[in-house]
Amino acid sequence: DVVLTQTPPTLSATIGQSVSISCRSSQSLLHSNGNTYLHWLLQRPGQSPQLLIYSVSRLESGVPNRFSGSGSGTDFTLKISGVEAEDLGVYYCVQGTHAPTFGGGTKLELK
Amino acid sequence: QVQLQQSGAELVKPGSSVKISCKASGYTFTSYDMHWIKQQPGNGLEWIGWIYPGNGNTKYNQKFNGKATLTADKSSSTAYMQLSSLTSEDSAVYFCARHYWYFDFWGPGTMVTVSS
Repeated sequence: DVVLTQTPPTLSATIGQSVSISCRSSQSLLHSNGNTYLHWLLQRPGQSPQLLIYSVSRLESGVPNRFSGSGSGTDFTLKISGVEAEDLGVYYCVQGTHAPTFGGGTKLELK
Repeated sequence: QVQLQQSGAELVKPGSSVKISCKASGYTFTSYDMHWIKQQPGNGLEWIGWIYPGNGNTKYNQKFNGKATLTADKSSSTAYMQLSSLTSEDSAVYFCARHYWYFDFWGPGTMVTVSS
């Protein structure tokens, strides 16, 4: 199974601060079709996860553009440029290049 | 709009089975995989498997072989997951999620509590 390692496990931020979350894969996530199926989810407290970014860097419809994704191969990053209160929750990376697996999560909380 | 409506919370006894449902609307049910994901209290997400309602094909995380059985009813646009031989380790919230290269819509989750 592909293991996704997220860091940090917890992130404390003030409103307006920019933060980044790393997701490292135990195997390359480049699919044989040339696409990379690494996505980012946000799970707010008491809610189901929602898609933020798909295929490394593509912003899901309706998601604010303060969220951005980058990376390739085995190293990926989610950046939030100016945290807002509604961004608090747990962020997960998930890969679909192989049988789906999720990162362990990064909890974003207010400092 | 796409909606996934899941069945209500279940309290079940150890050793029994439970079948939970996920009713889809707002899209062509037979054109997308439906995946199931487990989340134990305070823990992360774990992929269980998927079913393609168009032809009934399934694939499971090896860990859930023999534990979970996925089915789908095209006539009612509903996906089902049966969990068998339940233990306390099966107590969790179970999500269904539509998938086409990524999980774009999630159900609200069904909480299953295994307790005598």
